[in-house]
Amino acid sequence: DAGITQSPRHKVTETGTPVTLRCHQTENHRYMYWYRQDPGHGLRLIHYSYGVKDTDKGEVSDGYSVSRSKTEDFLLTLESATSSQTSVYFCAISETGDLFSGANVLTFGAGSRLTVL
Amino acid sequence: TQLLEQSPQFLSIQEGENLTVYCNSSSVFSSLQWYRQEPGEGPVLLVTVVTGGEVKKLKRLTFQFGDARKDSSLHITAAQPGDTGLYLCAGASREYGQNFVFGPGTRLSVLP
Repeated sequence: DAGITQSPRHKVTETGTPVTLRCHQTENHRYMYWYRQDPGHGLRLIHYSYGVKDTDKGEVSDGYSVSRSKTEDFLLTLESATSSQTSVYFCAISETGDLFSGANVLTFGAGSRLTVL
Repeated sequence: TQLLEQSPQFLSIQEGENLTVYCNSSSVFSSLQWYRQEPGEGPVLLVTVVTGGEVKKLKRLTFQFGDARKDSSLHITAAQPGDTGLYLCAGASREYGQNFVFGPGTRLSVLP
């Protein structure tokens, strides 16, 4: 997966428990993203980071927080998991944040499947 | 409400057939990307188009960006079982900030 590792790959948890998903990259890319993928919705952006300690909200950020203390790691935390957060979560990286000229290339990890019972 | 619509949602064809899938929006996009995703894996970028009317070819795959930059199509010639997967389009627009908007995808199955 081009230097992106997501962990865990599968997790089953109960409603109300905290969950942290980890994304680790070895590409030294500045931009990192967390998406969730649900049937019929495609991929939706949760949060993204444009540098160490620099993060911003995406389209569906409620109930999620992120942290980036090192270039290579981007953590996604569900403080109190709910059944609506059952999904497949993808981390992506890009070297540039330029979405508009065609220079941006998103490289995705293999995904983390989370089930909240 | 989906910002990007894709059609058809599902497509099952025989090896050797041609097919076209579509990506449509009421919004104008500065750039549009197509990805293919296989089961258990993340999406992989196929192509980026940025100019209205632009056509790009990638072996048996032909991508076109609409003149008004609101729609795109992906045509596959002589489909092979290896083309099976979920095809996603994603658009970038200053209206949506630092966010690629993804369509729900077309799930293609090519039978041998």
